[in-house]
Amino acid sequence: DTGVSQDPRHKITKRGQNVTFRCDPISEHNRLYWYRQTLGQGPEFLTYFQNEAQLEKSRLLSDRFSAERPKGSFSTLEIQRTEQGDSAMYLCASSLARIQRTGELFFGEGSRLTVL
Amino acid sequence: GQNIDQPTEMTATEGAIVQINCTYQTSGFNGLFWYQQHAGEAPTFLSYNVLDGLEEKGRFSSFLSRSKGYSYLLLKELQMKDSASYLCAPEINTGTASKLTFGTGTRLQVTL
Repeated sequence: DTGVSQDPRHKITKRGQNVTFRCDPISEHNRLYWYRQTLGQGPEFLTYFQNEAQLEKSRLLSDRFSAERPKGSFSTLEIQRTEQGDSAMYLCASSLARIQRTGELFFGEGSRLTVL
Repeated sequence: GQNIDQPTEMTATEGAIVQINCTYQTSGFNGLFWYQQHAGEAPTFLSYNVLDGLEEKGRFSSFLSRSKGYSYLLLKELQMKDSASYLCAPEINTGTASKLTFGTGTRLQVTL
């Protein structure tokens, strides 16, 4: 257990529905990252936060995806109008980062999304 | 853009030594991480290199050559529990942001 928790662990939904994932990072960590991973691939960067500010969002992330980190604590990742191609493991990671460094990322167990 | 290349699969025998190579072409390179990921589990940190040379940590060592865009992870005295995917992850800094970009991973199978 790394101290990063994600909820739900599994989500099965029908195409077109909205889903939301939550991540609770290690409490003193200032950075929070979202990655997506499909079978046989490495994690793919989606977006990240420095405290409550969203500093970068991948160009791969369509406008159906939105992430928030209110108050710089937990974060949510929402996918609207899900498509079958959204089926993946969504990983959250947090770190205690210094300027221009990421720090060691601590990953949660992930939220597995299946879109039927 | 970012380009990270590592072998897809490797097989080695228990007790042996294996070297997993990674080459990368990235802009804004800061350093290089290696992560281990067992099937169905989250990635866990193994090593971080920011300077050229070898970093040793128990059975695992990691090497970096910044000028060549090359790193390797060396695993000694292989154990069955080392069967996992090993992810090479350059740390990228774009001036306003810093993040890890991951390769596809090398799936290592340790056999008896």
